[in-house]
Amino acid sequence: DTEVTQTPKHLVMGMTNKKSLKCEQHMGHRAMYWYKQKAKKPPELMFVYSYEKLSINESVPSRFSPECPNSSLLNLHLHALQPEDSALYLCASSQDQKVQGGGGYTFGSGTRLTVV
Amino acid sequence: QQQVKQSPQSLIVQKGGISIINCAYENTAFDYFPWYQQFPGKGPALLIAIRPDVSEKKEGRFTISFNKSAKQFSLHIMDSQPGDSATYFCGGSQGNLIFGKGTKLSVKP
Repeated sequence: DTEVTQTPKHLVMGMTNKKSLKCEQHMGHRAMYWYKQKAKKPPELMFVYSYEKLSINESVPSRFSPECPNSSLLNLHLHALQPEDSALYLCASSQDQKVQGGGGYTFGSGTRLTVV
Repeated sequence: QQQVKQSPQSLIVQKGGISIINCAYENTAFDYFPWYQQFPGKGPALLIAIRPDVSEKKEGRFTISFNKSAKQFSLHIMDSQPGDSATYFCGGSQGNLIFGKGTKLSVKP
């Protein structure tokens, strides 16, 4: 299995809702990432988990809360989002953050989030 | 601070032509330089990557040229096809991958 699976593919939520994005990989990768991508922009790094521990938080607002329950799963919990948070949220994994280039990143297809 | 500068922003090439996309980086600690291809509604997919101790890498129709002294690298797509029409991102990594702003490539039949 050489895929990163993200669910749901699309999500519409109100500003008072609580929702979660899920990401799963079975490649034995030990680093997992959340990226945010706005239309016609590059992906921007949000969080990095290395060996199930949060290693990087790129000054992301607390309304985004990541969780890594085990080496195969990565969640992003959403609460009290703003319309400007609407974007494509991408999950990625790599062999090991410390390996040169991470050993290559594999991206999921993303969750298209719309905040109304 | 933009650590990877990519140009051009958009590119139109005729079928069979050569597409060339350029990137320049600032962070000399980067030790891995990938190119990603992204189709609408999909996540980026790794196309080809190079390490700074190599000046050129070729995989099929795709070639990376790397100039360490100039801190520049480029992607060449030979015999460009309409199916190559996508957005291409260069990147630099020293543990975390930072993307350039992207180039939208259109290959005309």
